[in-house]
Order: sequence, then C-alpha cells, then structure tokens
Amino acid sequence: QITLKESGPTLVKPTQTLTLTCTFSGFSLSTSGVGVGWIRQPPGKALEWLALIYWDDDKRYSPSLKSRLTITKDTSKNQVVLTMTNMDPVDTATYYCAHSRLDMSGARGHAFDIWGQGTMVTVSS
Amino acid sequence: QSVLTQPPSVSGAPGQRVTISCTGSSSNIGAGYDVHWYQQLPGTAPKLLIYGNSNRPSGVPDRFSGSKSGTSASLAITGLQAEDEADYYCQSYDSSLSGSDVFGTGTKVTVL
Repeated sequence: QITLKESGPTLVKPTQTLTLTCTFSGFSLSTSGVGVGWIRQPPGKALEWLALIYWDDDKRYSPSLKSRLTITKDTSKNQVVLTMTNMDPVDTATYYCAHSRLDMSGARGHAFDIWGQGTMVTVSS
Repeated sequence: QSVLTQPPSVSGAPGQRVTISCTGSSSNIGAGYDVHWYQQLPGTAPKLLIYGNSNRPSGVPDRFSGSKSGTSASLAITGLQAEDEADYYCQSYDSSLSGSDVFGTGTKVTVL
C-alpha cells in the first residue's frame, strides 16, 4: 500500500524560505518509471502543479515558479524535499505531494495516482 | 490563470447523467497530450478518477468515464449519487513556454 505524508511549517513569514518534506512508503523512488510531485491549492481555489522528481533524478518545474523552487530526493530515507524561496502571502495554500507512474502518464505530463493528505502553509508576518 | 477551462458548476438529480467539459488549446489537449481527471471531496486530497483520457484506476466505478476530442475533454458521471458531490479537476500537459503540467479551473458538482 502506497502512502505519502507531507510535513513542514504551518506558518512562514514573507521573504522566508519554505521547506516541505514528503515521506512515503510502499514504493521506492529508485524504481524505473516512478516519480513524486508537488501540487498546491490556495484556499477555495484550483490546483496548481509545482514540481516533480523522477527515479533517475530528472526534475521538472512549473515555469512560472522555477526560479524559486528546488526539488530533491533522499532514496534511502524515502523522502522528497521541496524548497520555495522568497515566500509571499499569495503562496498561502495546502501543499500536496503525490506519486506518479510513467505508464499512467502518457508521453508528456504526469498522472498522480496516490496523494498525501496535504499540509496547510500560511504566509504572514 | 489556468489554460484549461471548466464550467464552475454543474448539477443533477440522483440517477441522472452529468458531463464536465475541459476546454484547452492547440498547445495542450489539442496537441494530443493525455487528460487526467480528479475528484476532490470536501476537505480531502484529490483522487485520480481517469487517466490517459479514458482509463479508470482500479476501484473507480464505471459510472465515471472520460473522453477527448480536438481541444477538449469531458468527464461523464452516469447514475449520479449523493456521494459524487465534489469538485472535479482535469489535468494535461501544456507545451507553451517551457512546458508543464496544468490543471483545469475546477467544477463543483452538486447533487440536487
């Protein structure tokens, strides 16, 4: 059974850097075709894709946020870490990590078949 | 602002059929990229309903079906049930700029 869980601060100040950790079980991020992505959702608004890291350490970022995002993995700890710099109140959202498989995703893009419960991050001074 | 447009809301009585559209362009759905659909019940994480335009993951009822044509995709729910009341999102890949996954604007389904 695949599970993912997000962890990190619930409150950050403007201009600070946010670091979120996704701890997962039930799969290995060294298995070919597997990826872990991050998606966020501001209160009452739509989902927004942020980043994804593949089993081979290839990385993809949202073009609009690329300069602020870094995604890394620690295969031995079964963790994926997302950092977002220069946080702003508009970044207030629930942040989700999710599992992806290339065989479900098509030639481009990623289908996310298992999601974490999400973690709410508020940006305020 | 999302490049995939969905109607803000659709509604139907129990047992009816409703459809949700996802309108894109030549840089995403129209380019042939797959469309995926998610259901988000209130206060919970999204759940994958349809992947690869029309495939259901194990455990998803066959009341849910997906299709794609041209620059649009659709999710149909037949035999609408009270438990289907939720937000629904489409997702695809967009090749404009540097290319990335994109989600739709979301649709609230209300069971009357």
